[in-house]
Amino acid sequence: SQQGEEDPQALSIQEGENATMNCSYKTSINNLQWYRQNSGRGLVHLILIRSNEREKHSGRLRVTLDTSKKSSSLLITASRAADTASYFCATDATRYNQGGKLIFGQGTELSVKP
Amino acid sequence: EAQVTQNPRYLITVTGKKLTVTCSQNMNHEYMSWYRQDPGLGLRQIYYSMNVEVTDKGDVPEGYKVSRKEKRNFPLILESPSPNQTSLYFCASLSGGNEQYFGPGTRLTVT
Repeated sequence: SQQGEEDPQALSIQEGENATMNCSYKTSINNLQWYRQNSGRGLVHLILIRSNEREKHSGRLRVTLDTSKKSSSLLITASRAADTASYFCATDATRYNQGGKLIFGQGTELSVKP
Repeated sequence: EAQVTQNPRYLITVTGKKLTVTCSQNMNHEYMSWYRQDPGLGLRQIYYSMNVEVTDKGDVPEGYKVSRKEKRNFPLILESPSPNQTSLYFCASLSGGNEQYFGPGTRLTVT
């Protein structure tokens, strides 16, 4: 089955810097989503980008999607210590866009130092 | 408040002792699913349900059962737990906008 692969696996930056995480996948998708997970807790949905969209913004988050390269990136601008978490991309490739079945990447562990 | 709840949050049990992890959502979502999260393997879907009385296997269904008798509840059943089912489990429900709402997780240890 397809899988999102994320890069880098771990990222350590200083507060105020930007953080960029990348995700690649293997097959055609309906949409791609990014989630955040604080240590050992539930995942929180951050942003969804549909296959016909190229860029989306939400607050300090910017997501791009390149379906020709089967890749996406998540940019967090002006990072804060509270952004420290694991970030996962997830792809929805269910037939007829039934939704629901997501394939998750391995995640990027982001550490933002004060 | 819109939420997905799971119980228990932590459970230590012994091999072979049947257990149930409950999941409930208050958002009237039709689609619900269970995932397990393991280091190095990420999140993998165990079972999902597209509506009441409609369930299907995900990627790693062996050793698990589910039921969906009511829209809000989607319990995960381990009839005979084994140590390889030690994991962090998440229940999730799907909104009309295709985003998943996750529960807080259940950390299960099987000795």
